[in-house]
Amino acid sequence: QVHLVETGGGVVQPGRSLRLSCEASGFNFSENAMYWVRQSPGKGLDWVATIFHDGRRIFYTDSVRGRFTISRDNSRNTLYLRMANLRSDDTAVYYCAKDAGYVQFPDFWGQGALVTVSS
Amino acid sequence: SYVLTQPPSVSVAPGQTATFTCGGDNIESKSVQWYQQKPGHAPLLVVYDDDDRPSWTPERFSGSNSGNMATLSINRVEVGDEADYYCQVWHTDSDIWKFGGGTKLTVL
Repeated sequence: QVHLVETGGGVVQPGRSLRLSCEASGFNFSENAMYWVRQSPGKGLDWVATIFHDGRRIFYTDSVRGRFTISRDNSRNTLYLRMANLRSDDTAVYYCAKDAGYVQFPDFWGQGALVTVSS
Repeated sequence: SYVLTQPPSVSVAPGQTATFTCGGDNIESKSVQWYQQKPGHAPLLVVYDDDDRPSWTPERFSGSNSGNMATLSINRVEVGDEADYYCQVWHTDSDIWKFGGGTKLTVL
């Protein structure tokens, strides 16, 4: 049974940094690409970043490139999202999600971590 | 950038068919996924690769993809189907994963 648990959310001031973690279980983490997807309050889903199974290929949406860093530790079955220079429009629930196996779409999602950027 | 267009809302009576559209340039060349999201919950994959269903998706859900439009249909709609529905594609030209804006299903 796939299980994804995000931690590290909270309230942070504009310009500061925060790191989210996503602990995975129930599947072979080292064989799957992973995603971060966010959802601003009352809005739709917004893809943030993708990392391939071995961490060698990484992609970001334009609005976070240069500020956010996705990474993974396959020995710990954990996905990370380091967020720097946070802005108010980064306020959202951040979901980690497992790739279905084709690096085209997620098939399982965590419950999300709320990040609020506010002074 | 690749844009997916979804109508903001759909309303149907219980037992009727709900149809969700997802417009995109030559979307038929892409694999389309559909997610269901109920308030306060994470998204749930209900259709993948245009018309395949995960084991947990009822047969009442079906998908299709042709031309510039992908479609999700829910037959014999139930009150429990009330949710937001999002389409999704991987735009290979620029390695971006796109979601439509979502359609809210109201069961009258």
